[in-house]
Amino acid sequence: GEDVEQSLFLSVREGDSSVINCTYTDSSSTYLYWYKQEPGAGLQLLTYIFSNMDMKQDQRLTVLLNKKDKHLSLRIADTQTGDSAIYFCAETRRSSASKIIFGSGTRLSIRP
Amino acid sequence: EAQVTQNPRYLITVTGKKLTVTCSQNMNHEYMSWYRQDPGLGLRQIYYSMNVEVTDKGDVPEGYKVSRKEKRNFPLILESPSPNQTSLYFCASSLGQPTDTQYFGPGTRLTVL
Repeated sequence: GEDVEQSLFLSVREGDSSVINCTYTDSSSTYLYWYKQEPGAGLQLLTYIFSNMDMKQDQRLTVLLNKKDKHLSLRIADTQTGDSAIYFCAETRRSSASKIIFGSGTRLSIRP
Repeated sequence: EAQVTQNPRYLITVTGKKLTVTCSQNMNHEYMSWYRQDPGLGLRQIYYSMNVEVTDKGDVPEGYKVSRKEKRNFPLILESPSPNQTSLYFCASSLGQPTDTQYFGPGTRLTVL
């Protein structure tokens, strides 16, 4: 995960918006992903964005991509207790199309 | 139900005792891979397979072997486990490319004493 970086923890109040950030280093990134890992489970793909897009919205989720700064964010609107999980940013690259590179994950906890 | 299964889910073993973690998918996926998850390091790819009899090293292949004799199965073999292989292991599969949606198994927690 050294090429994809995320902060390890985020705490938000229930009902607020959560913003999870990710930075990557390789300019040849093709797809960028957000995966969710609930306790005791494997990862589930939440959403993804192609590198020629700036934004993607899917219900409560908004993904923003700033290619110039190599910065990806995931905004969760109206955060609920069920959103408690670890969120992984990941990328695939044109230079290495057969693998996905994951960040270290951000643990999101929800305060009442 | 479309799924990726792994066995065992939990395993405690001792240094040097060979073990195999099985992975099976029922979606006719071509691409399969193994990851290990360690605190603060995220997921690191161990090995991947693009199809039957086609496997390649990921980022951390040392100490591991894999085989892909059938499309549905992709076992991970630790010939001589060591304590630094204590980790949480995930198998994943996708239709044809890693850019396709990856489906993850539930994980295998391995402890090597």
